[in-house]
Amino acid sequence: ILNVEQSPQSLHVQEGDSTNFTCSFPSSNFYALHWYRWETAKSPEALFVMTLNGDEKKKGRISATLNTKEGYSYLYIKGSQPEDSATYLCAFNNFNKFYFGSGTKLNVKP
Amino acid sequence: EAGVAQSPRYKIIEKRQSVAFWCNPISGHATLYWYQQILGQGPKLLIQFQNNGVVDDSQLPKDRFSAERLKGVDSTLKIQPAKLEDSAVYLCASSLDPESSYNEQFFGPGTRLTVL
Repeated sequence: ILNVEQSPQSLHVQEGDSTNFTCSFPSSNFYALHWYRWETAKSPEALFVMTLNGDEKKKGRISATLNTKEGYSYLYIKGSQPEDSATYLCAFNNFNKFYFGSGTKLNVKP
Repeated sequence: EAGVAQSPRYKIIEKRQSVAFWCNPISGHATLYWYQQILGQGPKLLIQFQNNGVVDDSQLPKDRFSAERLKGVDSTLKIQPAKLEDSAVYLCASSLDPESSYNEQFFGPGTRLTVL
């Protein structure tokens, strides 16, 4: 079992704040790192798939970076909105076996 | 494109009862996954199918859990008998190309099981 850790566990921010979360994973035998967004009562939705060291991906106000040598990825949200409230999960893809972190629960207050 | 379908969405049972969950993956997706997500933890893989064959069931509690994927399409996960610690969200996911590092999983909405 591979250990994937996410921090913080939960985060409460005001609308308009920018925020970031961390995902730590094993730095050896890296294959891919996935970020998901999971709103209550909905299906987890894929945000990014990252495969190369130094990768930076962006989707609207959300972006992510990857450091495979030290085993971490950051997810950034710029100017948080109430609709960003969700649990953000990362998953370490070890050759098609996925190991998930426990998630960061984000609550954005209007 | 239709997403991954799961039913039921919610289920409440008493301990020692049996329960079954159903999943219909996205058409053409060869790989199907069942995950268990206990409150406060990340999803944990229970079983992974490639078409109708099992790829990984190392974390499936086989004394009480069983799963099948007939004809390589939809799948059922059964718990018999249920224990209190089985209370969780059961997520089904499917993916198209397991050989690609961009292998993206598409998730269903999950079944929230409460065992009393």
